[in-house]
Order: sequence, then structure tokens, then C-alpha cells
Amino acid sequence: DSGVTQTPKHLITATGQRVTLRCSPRSGDLSVYWYQQSLDQGLQFLIQYYNGEERAKGNILERFSAQQFPDLHSELNLSSLELGDSALYFCASSSKEGASDEQYFGPGTRLTVT
Amino acid sequence: AQSVTQLGSHVSVSEGALVLLRCNYSSSVPPYLFWYVQYPNQGLQLLLKYTSAATLVKGINGFEAEFKKSETSFHLTKPSAHMSDAAEYFCAVSEGFQKLVFGTGTRLLVSP
Repeated sequence: DSGVTQTPKHLITATGQRVTLRCSPRSGDLSVYWYQQSLDQGLQFLIQYYNGEERAKGNILERFSAQQFPDLHSELNLSSLELGDSALYFCASSSKEGASDEQYFGPGTRLTVT
Repeated sequence: AQSVTQLGSHVSVSEGALVLLRCNYSSSVPPYLFWYVQYPNQGLQLLLKYTSAATLVKGINGFEAEFKKSETSFHLTKPSAHMSDAAEYFCAVSEGFQKLVFGTGTRLLVSP
């Protein structure tokens, strides 16, 4: 158990809908990262927050957005969903944001868009 | 931009045999390199990381990796495979503020 929690574990929804994925980092960790894992794209970095501020963006679509709240939990919002958004979405956390700090991954949320 | 290449999408070994999973990196600056393991239906677990302190890095579950700058490699090894090692293994390099760039993964199959 990494100490990172993600809810829900599974999500099935229809095209065009909007969903929210939730992540609680390890106690004391200030950095939160979101990754998408799909068969065709592999593991891709989406976005990073540090202590409530957006720090880095990867290949995140405009239909996707995220935020980190004062209690440090984070939410990833996916809207106007398409079939291709079906994937495993991971949240990871680390104590700081140094390049050598290890990231601890949650169990993921499996999103299926039908 | 930094990147990693994992050679071999699947590697098969027998139980007790040497495990060798290959990773080559591309980086214009001294890299920070990581190996993660993903068991079925689970998240990623850190096996080990290289942060320039020592070129031979020991990780959990008997795994180790050697950083070779001249070969731009960071291959993962384990002397003797267990059935429980069957999983997918990802090499990653840290870019910028710790954004991880992952390889495509290598699935390790262990036969009795």
C-alpha cells in the first residue's frame, strides 16, 4: 500500500459525459501528479500540482482539467468524453518536487467510455 | 527532451534464471532514472532509483540496476527469477520538475 488513494476504482460512462476522479496523496506529500495509461499511448504524464499550484503540464487535452485543494487532495475532471479516453488514470504523490524524489502511485481509476 | 527506450516488450525466463530487462536513456543532462513494477490490476511500485550517488543501485525484491554513462543504459537485473516476479516493468527518466517520462514497458513472464 503506497498511501495514495484514488476513487472510484472503476468508472463506466457514456460518450459526451463528464467525470471527476479523486486522489488523496500520502500524508505530508505536497506534490500530486496525474498520469494516463492506455494501450496505444502507454504511460503519459498529464499534469502536476505542488501545494495547490499547477507546476507542469504534459499531453493533457483541453477537455481535461485538474486542481489541488487546500487539504492537498486533487481532482481530475474529464469532460465531453470520447471512446479514446478509456484508460487507467493514476495519481502519484511525492513529498517535494525535486527531480530525484520518488513518486508513490495510487491503485488507479479505470475509466471505460461506452 | 529526455526519453527512455525499453528493448523487448516481452521477456520470458525460467524460474531460477537470470532476469535482464534493458533500458536505454536519452538525456542532455545527468539523468535521474527509475524502475517501477506493475502487477496486474495494481498501481506502479518503485523498485529502485538512480540519483548519481552510486552507479550500482540495489532495490527491493532482489533487483538491482547499473548506470552506465558510456552506454546510456540502466538495465535491471535479478540473479534468480521467482514466479512472483511476473509483472510489467517500466523504466522512467525524470524530466524537469520530476515529471516522469516512461518507457513502453517490458512484460516479464516466468515459467516453472
